[in-house]
Amino acid sequence: DTAVSQTPKYLVTQMGNDKSIKCEQNLGHDTMYWYKQDSKKFLKIMFSYNNKELIINETVPNRFSPKSPDKAHLNLHINSLELGDSAVYFCASSQGLAGVGETQYFGPGTRLLVL
Amino acid sequence: DQQVKQNSPSLRVQEGRISILNCDYTNSMFDYFLWYKKYPAEGPTFLISISSIKDKNEDGRFTVFLNKSAKHLSLHIVPSQPGDSAVYFCAASERGGGADGLTFGKGTHLIIQP
Repeated sequence: DTAVSQTPKYLVTQMGNDKSIKCEQNLGHDTMYWYKQDSKKFLKIMFSYNNKELIINETVPNRFSPKSPDKAHLNLHINSLELGDSAVYFCASSQGLAGVGETQYFGPGTRLLVL
Repeated sequence: DQQVKQNSPSLRVQEGRISILNCDYTNSMFDYFLWYKKYPAEGPTFLISISSIKDKNEDGRFTVFLNKSAKHLSLHIVPSQPGDSAVYFCAASERGGGADGLTFGKGTHLIIQP
């Protein structure tokens, strides 16, 4: 049983396209996150979503939008893809908020390549 | 501006010996620290954590030490095993942090040699 799953694992697309990455967690957690691991291997928070409250990292372009149909899912939509969006995107979840000492559990990652 | 720094990109340790991975941080508001292990093409896997009210946490072969005055933490693995070869990320969170995410270091690639 995969605790945090992401689909697709690989995504190759053309510049300007719109794409989505799905994330599901079966841990019963209340908070979900999206991280981006860039070419320099830094993992950086993009969004956190808890009880319908979305907190956005101010550096994330508004072409990126998370959508949560329910507590177990947090999908990432990306509009007008750019070359610089190529990265590995990780979904994560935690029982509560990271700021109160919660451990986050990560999905396997989605490798996005924009051509 | 790296708030969490792992200054050793890689570390080679002989099997059976102790592996010590280091991490420094600059944000004094961090109050919870975690170590993650990552294999290629997989997501980070939680290893061990420590709250700022403690200075040591032990779980089997893994021990994390926290020195708040030096803003330094370390992960000790003893004895090191071949399966420990992976990239290890240090991460931290602060109470009430902006996006409630973790701030990660750049990672240290640990290589266990037979």
